[in-house]
Amino acid sequence: DAKTTQPNSMESNEEEPVHLPCNHSTISGTDYIHWYRQLPSQGPEYVIHGLTSNVNNRMASLAIAEDRKSSTLILHRATLRDAAVYYCILRAHNNDMRFGAGTRLTVKP
Amino acid sequence: GAVVSQHPSWVICKSGTSVKIECRSLDFQATTMFWYRQFPKQSLMLMATSNEGSKATYEQGVEKDKFLINHASLTLSTLTVTSAHPEDSSFYICSARGILGANEKLFFGSGTQLSVL
Repeated sequence: DAKTTQPNSMESNEEEPVHLPCNHSTISGTDYIHWYRQLPSQGPEYVIHGLTSNVNNRMASLAIAEDRKSSTLILHRATLRDAAVYYCILRAHNNDMRFGAGTRLTVKP
Repeated sequence: GAVVSQHPSWVICKSGTSVKIECRSLDFQATTMFWYRQFPKQSLMLMATSNEGSKATYEQGVEKDKFLINHASLTLSTLTVTSAHPEDSSFYICSARGILGANEKLFFGSGTQLSVL
């Protein structure tokens, strides 16, 4: 399975943008890049996903490198409620989804 | 948006008893459901994948006789932890997907905290 690499933790100030990086150098041509986040004692929550083009939704933006070997999740204005563990995951055609360690985002008021 | 309901949210049981956890897709047909286990401060670990009407596929190291998975309908999958022991205490999470494959988000249940005394 293609693996992803993320920093263990990141900090941000409230109302500032946050850029969460993810490396996936062994990504295959059919792998989708998914991002989920998990708040304490809850199940993961979908954030965004994409294949080749950058994507925007009401929660975040996803910037995908041209060679697709890395991507960045962008939270435009971090709030205290965005404090969570963010997981970058590759989904293959066989559709199972395996989680890496993720990035623990701390948002400071 | 689609919702996955997981029940119960938490359960405490005595060692040696069995516990059943339900996972329901409320407004879509879940052709595949996934079961995960998560220990404190760790990531989610995939335990098994179940497809409606067929036997579940278990990950290496997961005992299929201990963690019984039933996916009898397109909206319901159950995980039964048989003869639970304290080391089975963990946060169990299910997720479900429809028919569109990798270009589709997964929906997760809210998780079940199991504590075995």
